[in-house]
Amino acid sequence: AQSVAQPEDQVNVAEGNPLTVKCTYSVSGNPYLFWYVQYPNRGLQFLLKYITGDNLVKGSYGFEAEFNKSQTSFHLKKPSALVSDSALYFCAVRENTDKLIFGTGTRLQVFP
Amino acid sequence: GAVVSQHPSRVICKSGTSVKIECRSLDFQATTMFWYRQFPKKSLMLMATSNEGSKATYEQGVEKDKFLINHASLTLSTLTVTSAHPEDSSFYICSARGTARGYGYTFGSGTRLTVV
Repeated sequence: AQSVAQPEDQVNVAEGNPLTVKCTYSVSGNPYLFWYVQYPNRGLQFLLKYITGDNLVKGSYGFEAEFNKSQTSFHLKKPSALVSDSALYFCAVRENTDKLIFGTGTRLQVFP
Repeated sequence: GAVVSQHPSRVICKSGTSVKIECRSLDFQATTMFWYRQFPKKSLMLMATSNEGSKATYEQGVEKDKFLINHASLTLSTLTVTSAHPEDSSFYICSARGTARGYGYTFGSGTRLTVV
């Protein structure tokens, strides 16, 4: 079965500094990977996805993620964090059955 | 872009009553809809997958008689929590996927259910 792991419950970063939210995956076959963000009491908003092609994927709100096959990772990054980026971030993988399986989430806190 | 409308956003009900949550795709046909439950420690648990016109497929451990899912049209899926108990209190989120939208999944804004 496909799965993703988010090893950090929380990531703290100062505003203006680069941020990284980690995700590793375990799949059979080609991975379809996603990042979503969730604000309090809201649904999930799509940030970006990797299906095929360039390993560096650019997404919404200045976020990007790098697909690394050898390390089975798909870390989310942003060059300069904003306080408004503070939210809950989920990595997900699409199963062959079309289901999205989520990681446990990482809370990003950006301090002014 | 693709929009999924989920209602209500919040609901409080008494133990033993039933609650219906609606999920509508507003600008695309959702051939598949997914229902998730989010626990207080934030993880999202897939409850079931529904395809238009057919019975929902429930994940292991999810009571199909308690969480009734109907996907009667290409734009509407409903989740009914029957005979609700306080332990059913949670945040429920739907997600829709249409064949014409590549590999995109669009999420509703969620429903906070509180059973008292």
